[in-house]
Amino acid sequence: DAGVIQSPRHEVTEMGQEVTLRCKPISGHDYLFWYRQTMMRGLELLIYFNNNVPIDDSGMPEDRFSAKMPNASFSTLKIQPSEPRDSAVYFCASSPWGTDGYTFGSGTRLTVV
Amino acid sequence: AQSVAQPEDQVNVAEGNPLTVKCTYSVSGNPYLFWYVQYPNRGLQFLLKYITGDNLVKGSYGFEAEFNKSQTSFHLKKPSALVSDSALYFCAVWTNAGKSTFGDGTTLTVKP
Repeated sequence: DAGVIQSPRHEVTEMGQEVTLRCKPISGHDYLFWYRQTMMRGLELLIYFNNNVPIDDSGMPEDRFSAKMPNASFSTLKIQPSEPRDSAVYFCASSPWGTDGYTFGSGTRLTVV
Repeated sequence: AQSVAQPEDQVNVAEGNPLTVKCTYSVSGNPYLFWYVQYPNRGLQFLLKYITGDNLVKGSYGFEAEFNKSQTSFHLKKPSALVSDSALYFCAVWTNAGKSTFGDGTTLTVKP
């Protein structure tokens, strides 16, 4: 099992550009989570899905952020337009069920200049 | 609301000494509790969990955690710390909404 796969590992983009982060969860995991980590705010839950359906997106900071899960093996987090304050490490995690614990990907380090 | 608190931002310990990273929880009902570790430039890794049963839970890398219902605590412990244990540690509680709530993290530094 390759674990949770995120791409790209690093992304540097200019303010105003669209950014798309990608995640492939572990096969058979029904839950998928998107987190953002910064020094100032720590680890923040942005959105999570159950069986490809968004359950809670209350952590999505603004309308500039959107997430989709078109099938059980793929999810995207899109920022349009990007701003410097979006600079952070974005993690994807999956879990078969909440009480099983999460498996995190290696993250995408986003820098918006 | 389900929540956890990690009262210490930083824990320093000498190599070979026992270590404790503290976590307290606030839940309604039975708590499902977790510990994760994050090494630099890596994602969080699951260490151990408490669902029910023995109050002492054993996990990866020689770590264990003690669940104490009366003190609403779930402290992470290791009998003998290694320099390689230096990392950021997160406590988490599962909510019945299907997601876990994480603490703010505690940075553990083990000095040789």
